[in-house]
Amino acid sequence: SQKIEQNSEALNIQEGKTATLTCNYTNYSPAYLQWYRQDPGRGPVFLLLIRENEKEKRKERLKVTFDTTLKQSLFHITASQPADSATYLCALHEDTGRRALTFGSGTRLQVQP
Amino acid sequence: EPEVTQTPSHQVTQMGQEVILRCVPISNHLYFYWYRQILGQKVEFLVSFYNNEISEKSEIFDDQFSVERPDGSNFTLKIRSTKLEDSAMYFCASSSGGTNTGELFFGEGSRLTVL
Repeated sequence: SQKIEQNSEALNIQEGKTATLTCNYTNYSPAYLQWYRQDPGRGPVFLLLIRENEKEKRKERLKVTFDTTLKQSLFHITASQPADSATYLCALHEDTGRRALTFGSGTRLQVQP
Repeated sequence: EPEVTQTPSHQVTQMGQEVILRCVPISNHLYFYWYRQILGQKVEFLVSFYNNEISEKSEIFDDQFSVERPDGSNFTLKIRSTKLEDSAMYFCASSSGGTNTGELFFGEGSRLTVL
């Protein structure tokens, strides 16, 4: 069966450090992968999109890598700040004509001041 | 900055009642979606809508659910006879549908509580 796995345990790091979150998937052939941020009680907010033929994408303090051989994406936040504390969701889109995104369960990041 | 708006923010209803959740997608977007998130669980796809018809739906989206775009701006989700397990946050989303972009823009959600 198809699965998107994100670490369900919260990630606690100190301010200024780099946070690295993992998204693993099985039985998918994603055309692209996206990362969203979700704050409690609010809707997901788009952060980054990376395509299957891209290895890495950056936006300000954010970096995403995509390894289709390992079936894994890593999401990095450098110089983390307490304001980065949130749940981060990985989402896949398959190149099958479907437009719907399938979301992972998310990893909660807590940045300590 | 354009945004997706949803009403109501919170609705409490009795089991068996009909509920309509409303959304105003971003004006130049072509694709519209409903997702739901049961408390503590992941965001789940319900349905997508394009060109005035459903383009995809999940197993969750059974005969109790329907969607409509009654005018040029609103996009609604109707649950005909609510069940306790329909209690969740319902998110509307829209996307431009361009080939170079696939990101979804989500509203802030409508929390549905079924008693």
